[in-house]
Amino acid sequence: AQSVTQLDSQVPVFEEAPVELRCNYSSSVSVYLFWYVQYPNQGLQLLLKYLSGSTLVKGINGFEAEFNKSQTSFHLRKPSVHISDTAEYFCAVILSGAGSYQLTFGKGTKLSVIP
Amino acid sequence: DADVTQTPRNRITKTGKRIMLECSQTKGHDRMYWYRQDPGLGLRLIYYSFDVKDINKGEISDGYSVSRQAQAKFSLSLESAIPNQTALYFCATSVRTSASSYNEQFFGPGTRLTVL
Repeated sequence: AQSVTQLDSQVPVFEEAPVELRCNYSSSVSVYLFWYVQYPNQGLQLLLKYLSGSTLVKGINGFEAEFNKSQTSFHLRKPSVHISDTAEYFCAVILSGAGSYQLTFGKGTKLSVIP
Repeated sequence: DADVTQTPRNRITKTGKRIMLECSQTKGHDRMYWYRQDPGLGLRLIYYSFDVKDINKGEISDGYSVSRQAQAKFSLSLESAIPNQTALYFCATSVRTSASSYNEQFFGPGTRLTVL
């Protein structure tokens, strides 16, 4: 079974500062990896995903993430955050392969951008 | 208009009451899912359906039941609500794809349920 660990439940950061939200996963087989964002009072929106190929993945709103197989990590980064990035971020994994469907989510990291 | 809609958006009910949460989608997707979100726990899968006649239990199905009335509609029921079912509930959809590719899930806006 796979599991996802988001190491920080809350991350405060000043506006225009860089941020890294950490995610580690455990799985004995290959996985697909995702970051979702949930803005206040809204549903989840896909930020970016890693399926195969380049380990550096770029997503929406200037976010990027790097897949590190040896470290089993998929950390999310942004070089300069805005107030509008205040949200909760969820890392998720799914087993790669035929008909994969079941997303396993981490517990979430609340990013608070301070003016 | 939103592709995945959920009704109601907010609901307060009492212990022991029967509650139904509804999800509708206009994306034409085959697959639909129900998740619950609890603070500090992320999202957990309750039930999923790959088509109208295919319903499966997820990680935390106890105390819940579902109905897939049509390809576009998937309802979640709490037969006798209890306080620890207070949570944010999300519906999601995805399309059936080829065997080797991932099918992205699209989420509705959520239903906030409070059981007193």
